[in-house]
Amino acid sequence: DTAVSQTPKYLVTQMGNDKSIKCEQNLGHDTMYWYKQDSKKFLKIMFSYNNKELIINETVPNRFSPKSPDKAHLNLHINSLELGDSAVYFCASSQYPSGPTGGIQYFGAGTRLSVL
Amino acid sequence: DQQVKQNSPSLSVQEGRISILNCDYTNSMFDYFLWYKKYPAEGPTFLISISSIKDKNEDGRFTVFLNKSAKHLSLHIVPSQPGDSAVYFCAATVGNYQLIWGAGTKLIIKP
Repeated sequence: DTAVSQTPKYLVTQMGNDKSIKCEQNLGHDTMYWYKQDSKKFLKIMFSYNNKELIINETVPNRFSPKSPDKAHLNLHINSLELGDSAVYFCASSQYPSGPTGGIQYFGAGTRLSVL
Repeated sequence: DQQVKQNSPSLSVQEGRISILNCDYTNSMFDYFLWYKKYPAEGPTFLISISSIKDKNEDGRFTVFLNKSAKHLSLHIVPSQPGDSAVYFCAATVGNYQLIWGAGTKLIIKP
């Protein structure tokens, strides 16, 4: 039973379209994250929610909007997709963001987004 | 501005020998350092962490060493096994919630 699952795994779409990526965790964690892994393989935090409240909102185009209907779900909606949005997007969750081990995050398998 | 740097994009080690992965950082306020392992088409998985007040943490074949004066940490894997072939990410936390990541080092274990 997958702890952090995100769908779809692959997403191929045209420029200008709107798309969503869904993420669900069954670990009972309070905090969820969205990361973007760019072409240089850096993992960059985009957003973080704690108990449905936005706590991290990095410099991300406002075409990206996270939605957390409950603490087990954090979806990512992207409007007017651009070529530069092509990347792998990872969802993650954690229970103790500043606990004794430093806030271990558990990741989904990633969604590879290709914008044509 | 890269606060966490992994200067070796790849490393090749013979099976059974020691693998040493290095990480440098610039922010002296980091309070925890974590290592993650990533296989292709999977998300990163947590491996081992160390608090900034410690200089060593060991878990089975994995040991992380922290040198605060040099702002350097390293991950030692002994002995290296074929299943250890993966990309290893160094990450650090400052305050709550946020992990700052290095670019990763691809470890290849040769049989």
